[in-house]
Amino acid sequence: SQQGEEDPQALSIQEGENATMNCSYKTSINNLQWYRQNSGRGLVHLILIRSNEREKHSGRLRVTLDTSKKSSSLLITASRAADTASYFCATALQGAQKLVFGQGTRLTINP
Amino acid sequence: NAGVTQTPKFQVLKTGQSMTLQCAQDMNHNSMYWYRQDPGMGLRLIYYSASEGTTDKGEVPNGYNVSRLNKREFSLRLESAAPSQTSVYFCASSALTSRETQYFGPGTRLLVL
Repeated sequence: SQQGEEDPQALSIQEGENATMNCSYKTSINNLQWYRQNSGRGLVHLILIRSNEREKHSGRLRVTLDTSKKSSSLLITASRAADTASYFCATALQGAQKLVFGQGTRLTINP
Repeated sequence: NAGVTQTPKFQVLKTGQSMTLQCAQDMNHNSMYWYRQDPGMGLRLIYYSASEGTTDKGEVPNGYNVSRLNKREFSLRLESAAPSQTSVYFCASSALTSRETQYFGPGTRLLVL
């Protein structure tokens, strides 16, 4: 497996439900970031959580980080049709000057 | 304030042809990046530039060259395109280091026949 793997690969839920996506990584990180990509568009930064933080909120987004398990989760509450997109986690590795992106979770919100 | 812009949006090339993908940012960022995105592969870093005048290889640099023309512009060149380079190419920038938030352009969809 590679650094930054999202789970599940695809998720389909009804509008109004909560969506949870997970990201696992292999080596020590400086921070972990989540990005959203709408179909045919570039990536948009959602939230950054540093290695010494455990939880962070931004609007309807909640991100947790468990460095002992090398995992993070992104929770979107009260989902909307506009949340339909692919979501990527990206890890900033300690000692490296780059972000490593996972393969993404494709989220579909059904009306 | 346009953020990160890329040209062209779409391009079709024949094997062996060359082309340059252009990228510009108006946020006064120091660092710029080129990624490629392929189905099921996520984003892979091709080259990056930590500051004007410097460039470094990323994960998949073979077949590409880059130029950091000035602080605003970072171009990606395919000297002899191959079908394996069919992909969507994204340019991104960040204020200082690659560990910070990166801002992405809209992408260039390239098809090599």
